[in-house]
Amino acid sequence: QVHLQESGPGLVNPSETLSLTCTVSGGSISSYFWSWIRQSPGMGLEWVGCISDTGKTNYSPYINSRGTISVDTSKNHLSLTLTSVTAADTAVYYCARGGAVAYSGMDVWGQGTTVTVSS
Amino acid sequence: SYVLTQPPSVSVAPGQTATITCGGDNIGSKSVHWYQQKPGQAPVLVVSDDSDRPSGIPERFSGSNSGNTATLTISRVEAGDEADYYCQVWDFSSDEDVFGPGTKVTVL
Repeated sequence: QVHLQESGPGLVNPSETLSLTCTVSGGSISSYFWSWIRQSPGMGLEWVGCISDTGKTNYSPYINSRGTISVDTSKNHLSLTLTSVTAADTAVYYCARGGAVAYSGMDVWGQGTTVTVSS
Repeated sequence: SYVLTQPPSVSVAPGQTATITCGGDNIGSKSVHWYQQKPGQAPVLVVSDDSDRPSGIPERFSGSNSGNTATLTISRVEAGDEADYYCQVWDFSSDEDVFGPGTKVTVL
């Protein structure tokens, strides 16, 4: 059974760079789409971006040039880097597994990691 | 970008049927996925590709999609179904995933 575990710094200073990792266990990271989704306190789900099995990335227009998603197949993990963070980036960040195509549903989710942007 | 609409809340008595809608322009041409999220927990996929149920999801959960509205139906509602429900689609015109604003289901 595939299991996802997010990890990150917890607290980030405004204007700095946030780096998160999602470790995939119990299955291969290859041959799937992988996404990052976040949820600000008391709010709904917001898609951050995704990466395909070929390494093609797409990002939310709200993230756009600030975000970078990558996959390290040797470590079986997924990463998200978000630059120039502000308080608006405070959220629980989830990684999730999609299917073989972009329009597939996300069938496996991590438990989420909380990120607070504050000085 | 593509916009999805959902009612903020739905209330239903135990044993009755809850119907949650997800509106979008010609959404019937897209694959719609539904997620259940309970407080403090990660979302769970309950219906994929309009009407498919992932393994382990009760048959009480069903979905449909046509025209400008997709629907998640929960039959014989139980107290444990109380949660937020989100619809989601992939927008091919902008190459991005879109989530609906969510519907809070309250079991009376």
